[in-house]
Amino acid sequence: GAGVSQSPSNKVTEKGKDVELRCDPISGHTALYWYRQSLGQGLEFLIYFQGNSAPDKSGLPSDRFSAERTGGSVSTLTIQRTQQEDSAVYLCASSKRVVGGETQYFGPGTRLLVL
Amino acid sequence: DQQVKQNSPSLSVQEGRISILNCDYTNSMFDYFLWYKKYPAEGPTFLISISSIKDKNEDGRFTVFLNKSAKHLSLHIVPSQPGDSAVYFCAASIQGAQKLVFGQGTRLTINP
Repeated sequence: GAGVSQSPSNKVTEKGKDVELRCDPISGHTALYWYRQSLGQGLEFLIYFQGNSAPDKSGLPSDRFSAERTGGSVSTLTIQRTQQEDSAVYLCASSKRVVGGETQYFGPGTRLLVL
Repeated sequence: DQQVKQNSPSLSVQEGRISILNCDYTNSMFDYFLWYKKYPAEGPTFLISISSIKDKNEDGRFTVFLNKSAKHLSLHIVPSQPGDSAVYFCAASIQGAQKLVFGQGTRLTINP
């Protein structure tokens, strides 16, 4: 079946502009995660969604970052007033359910460059 | 603070030999550990995992070892193949928690 898809694959924007990144999880997966990977760094957790429960936003680096998940499927990560330090690869993952040990399946990522 | 550390940014191994990738963690609450493999321009793909109740898990050419007292895990690949050249991330989680905590990654290069 289809894996996790993300769009756009690449995004170049100017400092101060808003950007929206989209994630389509694997069908039937109830948990959805956002991570980012800055240059030379590991993956950093941002936020996760599970069904209709309130999302865990503990990893969001500032209030310029927000995310929503509509209908329990597609998710959008929004970065307002982008800064150069927001440049990174933003990765989305999904899993069947939210329990420890569930394998997370990752999309290819969106490469964001803020000029 | 870096709770999961991969101290070797790169490793070069000859084809057919054993590759050993190492990972250290500091949070004693972690009880589930995973290795992911990442090719350029692709997302990480799950490779192998281990629960803290075990000290070894094997899947084909891949074996993960866990030393809880040392807070150390390692991934052994034998024999190494050219297609194994990638960046390898170790990750850790706490049962019942959802987020994975990743190391910085080790770039493995298999030389023919």
